[in-house]
Amino acid sequence: GAGVSQSPRYKVAKRGQDVALRCDPISGHVSLFWYQQALGQGPEFLTYFQNEAQLDKSGLPSDRFFAERPEGSVSTLKIQRTQQEDSAVYLCASSFHGAEETQYFGPGTRLLVL
Amino acid sequence: AQSVTQLDSQVPVFEEAPVELRCNYSSSVSVYLFWYVQYPNQGLQLLLKYLSGSTLVKGINGFEAEFNKSQTSFHLRKPSVHISDTAEYFCAVDGGGGADGLTFGKGTHLIIQP
Repeated sequence: GAGVSQSPRYKVAKRGQDVALRCDPISGHVSLFWYQQALGQGPEFLTYFQNEAQLDKSGLPSDRFFAERPEGSVSTLKIQRTQQEDSAVYLCASSFHGAEETQYFGPGTRLLVL
Repeated sequence: AQSVTQLDSQVPVFEEAPVELRCNYSSSVSVYLFWYVQYPNQGLQLLLKYLSGSTLVKGINGFEAEFNKSQTSFHLRKPSVHISDTAEYFCAVDGGGGADGLTFGKGTHLIIQP
């Protein structure tokens, strides 16, 4: 079937606005990851879900960032009171469970905070 | 904790010439190693991965990489590059059992000159 999809592809927000970024993983994939990729940098881990359980959120940069995956499939990354430093590409990846499994990445959401 | 160093931010190469993209990692535990490619406005795509066994790993599009434990390196090579190989290449390591995501290097921009 289809790969990982993300929406919207582009988002412009005014500083202080809340945004919600959606990720549709590959069907049947247990693991779901969110990464943040700043301009000219490699992706940095934000958070990890195994089914609906958020097992690791150590990479979330502040309490303004919140992620959920309530039914173990679609996930939403929410950023409250956006700041200019939140401008980045947000990548979602999914895989079967296990570190050896390939992570399949979506095209990302490019967020620009003005 | 683990880290990944990609020594070259940019590598210009003439078409049909060989190329090597360097990657060094540090980790206190056994790791899995990955190379991903990112074409403009696209998501990350897996080129190859090392899990165990043979230290020479072959991937897609004619790329290969060699795991060297003593030098903690995982350099990517291709004997003859094409214009279509122009992209950003990321080395990544997973040493946390899959539960804390991948740690990426900053990337190497491969520029193919005609």
